[in-house]
Amino acid sequence: GENVEQHPSTLSVQEGDSAVIKCTYSDSASNYFPWYKQELGKRPQLIIDIRSNVGEKKDQRIAVTLNKTAKHFSLHITETQPEDSAVYFCAAFSNDYKLSFGAGTTVTVRA
Amino acid sequence: NAGVTQTPKFQVLKTGQSMTLQCAQDMNHEYMSWYRQDPGMGLRLIHYSVGAGITDQGEVPNGYNVSRSTTEDFPLRLLSAAPSQTSVYFCASSYSDRASEKLFFGSGTQLSVL
Repeated sequence: GENVEQHPSTLSVQEGDSAVIKCTYSDSASNYFPWYKQELGKRPQLIIDIRSNVGEKKDQRIAVTLNKTAKHFSLHITETQPEDSAVYFCAAFSNDYKLSFGAGTTVTVRA
Repeated sequence: NAGVTQTPKFQVLKTGQSMTLQCAQDMNHEYMSWYRQDPGMGLRLIHYSVGAGITDQGEVPNGYNVSRSTTEDFPLRLLSAAPSQTSVYFCASSYSDRASEKLFFGSGTQLSVL
């Protein structure tokens, strides 16, 4: 099955700075890579996703990049704000109907 | 639309007890799944279903049963609760028959097994 590793486990940034979270996956057949944000005590919610036929995708202050050769993908958050503080999960989907998640990154934005 | 509804929100069980976590969605989604969330381990797939009458195992299925008699409902049964099953449980659904589209999560069930 798919194995997703996520780094770092915790990330503290100054408000206005950028945050980068990196994930690697093991199954070269994986073709869909979403990112979920979970605020404290809330449910995970999709913030951005990318498919294997695309190298980069942006949505306002967030962007995701995918390197299929190296089997890694990253989330970039620019101009961080206090409301960006949350746990972020990467995930990878392969053709066995399963979405495998990374262990999560706790992001803290310092005012 | 209510989205994905999970009940109960909190539950305390004694070791050996059984119970059912309920999950219902009103979006006519084909794909439904159950995850458990433990500190430092992310979300791990327990069971999933790609349509009514079809279920399959995820990463951590031991100790859990599921069934899918209707498109709307996907209950998770704990057969004989163990302390290792203390966790937060999330139900999630997707409109396609697979998880390669946006997952809609329920609000979660916090389960403690004593």
